[in-house]
Amino acid sequence: DAKTTQPNSMESNEEEPVHLPCNHSTISGTDYIHWYRQLPSQGPEYVIHGLTSNVNNRMASLAIAEDRKSSTLILHRATLRDAAVYYCILRDAVGGDKIIFGKGTRLHILP
Amino acid sequence: SQTIHQWPATLVQPVGSPLSLECTVEGTSNPNLYWYRQAAGRGLQLLFYSVGIGQISSEVPQNLSASRPQDRQFILSSKKLLLSDSGFYLCAWSVGNSPGQPQHFGDGTRLSIL
Repeated sequence: DAKTTQPNSMESNEEEPVHLPCNHSTISGTDYIHWYRQLPSQGPEYVIHGLTSNVNNRMASLAIAEDRKSSTLILHRATLRDAAVYYCILRDAVGGDKIIFGKGTRLHILP
Repeated sequence: SQTIHQWPATLVQPVGSPLSLECTVEGTSNPNLYWYRQAAGRGLQLLFYSVGIGQISSEVPQNLSASRPQDRQFILSSKKLLLSDSGFYLCAWSVGNSPGQPQHFGDGTRLSIL
């Protein structure tokens, strides 16, 4: 799987939008961009994924750059429950049966 | 709906003792199954994955082994635990072999080796 680069940590105020960046400059044409998050003492939770177009679901939005070398996970209105480690992951058609997790971004929400 | 169960939630074992962690999935057939380990303060490390009964792929050499005796059952084992085996063990499943399919994780087992 191709590598991704994320900031180690970020802070945001409660009830404000959060933009979590991810760089994946070596992404291939068949790589999907997946986001997971892990709350303290829990297993990771799937958030969203996309290939080329921006995606929205009930949890978040995913904005993918036109060249696909970066993406941004958007939490529209952060709550204290969104404090977690967020992982940006690439999954390709060949190695699609496994996920390689990086260190992710630890998001702190300030009340 | 699909559910994944892992047990036990926590486990304390002495060095040199055996280990057996079990994971079962309900509500789906022929899932891909995975075992991950997360050491304290670190990221997730893929240990094993399986695309079918009796089919196990190992990602990291270690003193752990995995087995899939039934379609929706995945077991992580060790004959003799080491101190370095401490960590948070997570089982996950996904549908088929498509990169578009997300993985769904269990609640994990926190293993402490004394």
